[in-house]
Amino acid sequence: TQLLEQSPQFLSIQEGENLTVYCNSSSVFSSLQWYRQEPGEGPVLLVTVVTGGEVKKLKRLTFQFGDARKDSSLHITAAQPGDTGLYLCAGPNAGGTSYGKLTFGQGTILTVHP
Amino acid sequence: DTGVSQDPRHKITKRGQNVTFRCDPISEHNRLYWYRQTLGQGPEFLTYFQNEAQLEKSRLLSDRFSAERPKGSFSTLEIQRTEQGDSAMYLCASSLAVVGYTFGSGTRLTVV
Repeated sequence: TQLLEQSPQFLSIQEGENLTVYCNSSSVFSSLQWYRQEPGEGPVLLVTVVTGGEVKKLKRLTFQFGDARKDSSLHITAAQPGDTGLYLCAGPNAGGTSYGKLTFGQGTILTVHP
Repeated sequence: DTGVSQDPRHKITKRGQNVTFRCDPISEHNRLYWYRQTLGQGPEFLTYFQNEAQLEKSRLLSDRFSAERPKGSFSTLEIQRTEQGDSAMYLCASSLAVVGYTFGSGTRLTVV
């Protein structure tokens, strides 16, 4: 079983600060996805990274896939209270695809205080 | 299409009762997944269908759990003889190649 470990588990910051969330594994993934989940709702897909070393930007969010495709990071610049939520990384099992069965990390709970 | 729909949103049941949840996927998506999520944790895979065929079932799923997807459309997840440890959010997702995953809002089950 391929495992994904996220750190930190909890993050509490003030509005305007920058932050980085990490997603690590000892296994190689063909792709990794990042989701954001609000309380009482299902996860919403933010981005899929496929190529080792790939960097994708979504407004103030920057996602990076490690060169060896074993890790990924999510960096948020100038965090806002609306960024508050549970951030999840996920990847397909060996031989799988990004639209197939996924393994999720345990998540990072981000709270941004006004 | 309004996305993946799950019903009910919340369910409170007494221990030992049976419960059934429904999921309506995005119509053109051929894959449908069930995941379970406990508070502050990531979703855990339970089972998935490609069209009407149930292709994989997690070892987490005891014999008390059963899922169906008749005619490859909506899906139901039934839990028999519920236990307090079954309390969780049950998430349904559908997917299609290239498009990727779309999750529903989930069904929050509380067993008292």
